[in-house]
Amino acid sequence: DQQVKQNSPSLSVQEGRISILNCDYTNSMFDYFLWYKKYPAEGPTFLISISSIKDKNEDGRFTVFLNKSAKHLSLHIVPSQPGDSAVYFCAAISWGGSEKLVFGKGTKLTVNP
Amino acid sequence: DAGVIQSPRHEVTEMGQEVTLRCKPISGHDYLFWYRQTMMRGLELLIYFNNNVPIDDSGMPEDRFSAKMPNASFSTLKIQPSEPRDSAVYFCASRRDRRSPLHFGNGTRLTVT
Repeated sequence: DQQVKQNSPSLSVQEGRISILNCDYTNSMFDYFLWYKKYPAEGPTFLISISSIKDKNEDGRFTVFLNKSAKHLSLHIVPSQPGDSAVYFCAAISWGGSEKLVFGKGTKLTVNP
Repeated sequence: DAGVIQSPRHEVTEMGQEVTLRCKPISGHDYLFWYRQTMMRGLELLIYFNNNVPIDDSGMPEDRFSAKMPNASFSTLKIQPSEPRDSAVYFCASRRDRRSPLHFGNGTRLTVT
């Protein structure tokens, strides 16, 4: 039973355009969500997060949107750059419950020059 | 801050052999996690420790897998005997407290032939 789903294994966009990565979750107890970025031969690195009390969090070119009623979140990258090409993992945790961070399977983003 | 350090980076072994993966978490981090990444299952949590005590090992696939954390600066994940289906990238991660993001090491790529 996959509690965090990233239904698009890959995404390709042109440099300068917007990249939108999507994530759905099934566990209504999740109250904190994170995005991680992973380059080949490296571990995932933390990118941005959002608490369930918010619906948007912005950090530079990266914005995460949360729609609790739809159990959906998305990561927007504007403008996209070739260096953004990586695998992006969505993750969720229930701070009031389990301490375990649950990951989606990832979306491979390719930004073409 | 040196980050989470894992060794070895690559391990190739024959079926039936014992494999030991090592991890040094970031100093001051109270939590340590072992994850396994495969194409089929993505990033799955194997076990995690809080203050050197194993809290949840429900993700450990079989009794062939064991993990220890003898002190705050060192953890091992052991597979004995290893099997070809254990081939994957194994990540160690640590975090300061419940609400801090995970910091990952660069992983150990294990190949069992």
